[in-house]
Amino acid sequence: DGGITQSPKYLFRKEGQNVTLSCEQNLNHDAMYWYRQDPGQGLRLIYYSQIVNDFQKGDIAEGYSVSREKKESFPLTVTSAQKNPTAFYLCASSIEGREETQYFGPGTRLLVL
Amino acid sequence: GENVEQHPSTLSVQEGDSAVIKCTYSDSASNYFPWYKQELGKGPQLIIDIRSNVGEKKDQRIAVTLNKTAKHFSLHITETQPEDSAVYFCAASKTSYDKVIFGPGTSLSVIP
Repeated sequence: DGGITQSPKYLFRKEGQNVTLSCEQNLNHDAMYWYRQDPGQGLRLIYYSQIVNDFQKGDIAEGYSVSREKKESFPLTVTSAQKNPTAFYLCASSIEGREETQYFGPGTRLLVL
Repeated sequence: GENVEQHPSTLSVQEGDSAVIKCTYSDSASNYFPWYKQELGKGPQLIIDIRSNVGEKKDQRIAVTLNKTAKHFSLHITETQPEDSAVYFCAASKTSYDKVIFGPGTSLSVIP
């Protein structure tokens, strides 16, 4: 069953804590993305990666970090430097040469305790 | 940079009626325009897309039209059903190597 999976579905963060959101895809897609979605707003790009071991900052990268050690995995760490982390986080992937057509995972909702 | 506006922000229609959502973009170089449907608590799903070399595309009850001169494109849903209720996002992109810019979304409610 091919697709993009994100875990966990809900995640709680304490003050000063780093948390990591998982994103895995078995679509053999080369490019992967992380977006943040706030209520009533569109999607804002955090980081993206077009190939393994390479990634670029999006529009709102401050307070976040990523790694791309494997083609199928693109974890996002929300660091303590991100002062307003409460949001719905979406991972997406796309085929090389068709990066404009992105397929999304089910999302992770991050809440601050 | 590219900016995508979307109207209306909320839309309520009676079941069986049509719904139209409109988007405008600022960068005339944009040539790919996808539409996504997002149900509550889920990720967006691509429902239809159009490239700049065509003016209209249909898929069953869904159609998208594009006016490159005016830089606007629209999503048309006919014979709406309660399961069409969701948030719809339009987006625009120039090339496969450029970022996809999303509109703010339209919350569609179909009243039975």
